[in-house]
Amino acid sequence: DAGVTQSPTHLIKTRGQQVTLRCSPKSGHDTVSWYQQALGQGPQFIFQYYEEEERQRGNFPDRFSGHQFPNYSSELNVNALLLGDSALYLCASSLALAVWRADTQYFGPGTRLTVL
Amino acid sequence: DAKTTQPPSMDCAEGRAANLPCNHSTISGNEYVYWYRQIHSQGPQYIIHGLKNNETNEMASLIITEDRKSSTLILPHATLRDTAVYYCIVRVGNAGGTSYGKLTFGQGTILTVHP
Repeated sequence: DAGVTQSPTHLIKTRGQQVTLRCSPKSGHDTVSWYQQALGQGPQFIFQYYEEEERQRGNFPDRFSGHQFPNYSSELNVNALLLGDSALYLCASSLALAVWRADTQYFGPGTRLTVL
Repeated sequence: DAKTTQPPSMDCAEGRAANLPCNHSTISGNEYVYWYRQIHSQGPQYIIHGLKNNETNEMASLIITEDRKSSTLILPHATLRDTAVYYCIVRVGNAGGTSYGKLTFGQGTILTVHP
């Protein structure tokens, strides 16, 4: 049973460029969340996709956008890259449960983005 | 989601039990306690979660106090591979609106297991 996969593993971009990161959820999962982890910090929630729509968003600018495809995979796009966008980008997948039940998110290995 | 407080670091001898505490004094009745760990530069790994009752799985045990204001993650026989940052997270279940699945990570506890 494949876990959460992310690509690419590492990426180097320059300021002002755009980047697309990809995530395939764990088999049977339908929800994808994205997190940004700066060096020495805990992961910070960017947004979550369910049924191909963004249904919750953290405190990130509109430069950060995403998409979910019918097969539940997802992309994270970042436009006009800044030096401060250098971080480990993590994807987590889960299965949407009934109201008041807590799903469990499983994380991928992450994509290390370096902005020069 | 309720805020959690964890010690910044802990040490444990290999083969001994590691007991990681977490305070969540403002937890509400519909909030779960989750534990994740992160080994350097890898994605966080789910360990265990609970609502009221103590829980045990193949990785660890979770002890939640009766008033639910604190909890302890227990690794029964720590190994060198258990050296990691451990995050205690309190989050509401699927309540709709703005409460869908967001995990709020703090600084966590750096657990170092010594030979």
